[in-house]
Amino acid sequence: EIVMTQSPATLSVSPGERATLSCRATPRLDNNYLAWYQQRPGQPPRLLIFDTSTRATGIPARFSGSGSGADFTLTIGSLQSEDFAIYYCQQYNSWPLTFGGGTKVEIK
Amino acid sequence: EVQLLESGGGLIQPGGSLRLSCAASGFTFKRYAMSWVRQAPGKGLEWVSAIRSSGDAVHYVDSVKGRFTISRDNSENTLYLQMNSLRAEDTAIYYCAKEELETTVVFGYSFDLWGQGVLVTVSS
Repeated sequence: EIVMTQSPATLSVSPGERATLSCRATPRLDNNYLAWYQQRPGQPPRLLIFDTSTRATGIPARFSGSGSGADFTLTIGSLQSEDFAIYYCQQYNSWPLTFGGGTKVEIK
Repeated sequence: EVQLLESGGGLIQPGGSLRLSCAASGFTFKRYAMSWVRQAPGKGLEWVSAIRSSGDAVHYVDSVKGRFTISRDNSENTLYLQMNSLRAEDTAIYYCAKEELETTVVFGYSFDLWGQGVLVTVSS
């Protein structure tokens, strides 16, 4: 099983600032099969990024993904009020599919 | 409208059984693999089970193997999760999720459409 570890657990950011979220895969992924999701309170997750760096339909350009192997990053370029939420990474390199524990992005 | 609508949740005693359903609409259901993903109260996401678009291949997380069965009816655009021998640790919101990639053989990708979820509470 691939374990996905996200850091930090909580990130305090001011509106308009950049946020950088990390996700580590153990063992490393041998392809770019990594996705990011946003979950707001009381809502299901929403796909932001798939295949490490491809934005899903309708996702603003301020969201970007990068990385390879073991280390992956989600960057939110300039935080808007609606971006304060919990973010999860997910690997689909192999079964079982696994998610990280999440990073909560809160208002500073 | 493209959507997934889960039903069948509720309060069940430990050891009991429950069947969840997920009705799909607005897309060609039979072309996409589907999964169930759960979220315990206040916790993160856990993938539970997946089924190929044709229904002839499935995968499960170890903690539910032998207890849960995923299935689908492509003529009715519906996904199912039969849950037996339920435990307290199965308490969660259960989401059905559609894979982003249209596939016929290999499956297990990211999820671009989620239902609102259904709550399953296992308690005496």
